[in-house]
Amino acid sequence: QKEVEQNSGPLSVPEGAIASLNCTYSDRGSQSFFWYRQYSGKSPELIMFIYSNGDKEDGRFTAQLNKASQYVSLLIRDSQPSDSATYLCAGGGNAGKSTFGDGTTLTVKP
Amino acid sequence: EPEVTQTPSHQVTQMGQEVILRCVPISNHLYFYWYRQILGQKVEFLVSFYNNEISEKSEIFDDQFSVERPDGSNFTLKIRSTKLEDSAMYFCASSEHGNYGYTFGSGTRLTVV
Repeated sequence: QKEVEQNSGPLSVPEGAIASLNCTYSDRGSQSFFWYRQYSGKSPELIMFIYSNGDKEDGRFTAQLNKASQYVSLLIRDSQPSDSATYLCAGGGNAGKSTFGDGTTLTVKP
Repeated sequence: EPEVTQTPSHQVTQMGQEVILRCVPISNHLYFYWYRQILGQKVEFLVSFYNNEISEKSEIFDDQFSVERPDGSNFTLKIRSTKLEDSAMYFCASSEHGNYGYTFGSGTRLTVV
C-alpha cells in the first residue's frame, strides 16, 4: 500500500476554472502535510503546508486537511496556464522525512 | 530570496567510481536533507541531518552513501561506488524548523554509465 496516494492524472482544466487535487495517506503518525509544485525538469517548490484539520487559504490556493479521513486536498482558484505543473503531496513527521506521492500533472488550457 | 545551492548541476561518472554531491543550505536553516528522484518516478527520501548527525535515513541510504557537513556552510552526499541504478536527480533541501516544509536546491543530475 502506498503511503501517500494522489488522484491519478493528468488533470486538465480551462483557464479561470478551479483545479482540485486530492491526496490520501496511510500513516496516522504524519503530522504535517505539504503541497509542492514541480515544473518539468525543475526542483519541487513548496506551495503550502497544513497541520490542522480544516482549510488554509493562501491567495488562490486552499489546502484542506481531514485527519479522520486521512485526506488532503489542494484547490487552485482562477487557474492560470502558469499553474501547469506536477503537484506533489507529501506527509511528514516532526522535523523528519517527508513521504511524497507520485504527483498529479495539471494542465491549464488557455 | 534565500536559495539552496547545489553543485554540480550535472555529473557523469563511470560505474564503480565515487562521487560527491555538494550543497550549500540556507544559512539560518538547521535541518538538512537529501532526496532523489529517478526519472519519471516519485521523490524519495534518503537522509535527514540535524545537529551534525544523521537523524533519519531510508533503506536506500546503505553503506555506499554518506553525508557530511565539513564546515559551517557545505553539506555533502558521497556515493562510494556508484551503480547504474544510482542514476537520478539528487535534491538537497533545508528547513529552518523541520516541520514547515523544505526549500529544495535545483538538483544534481547524476548519470552513471
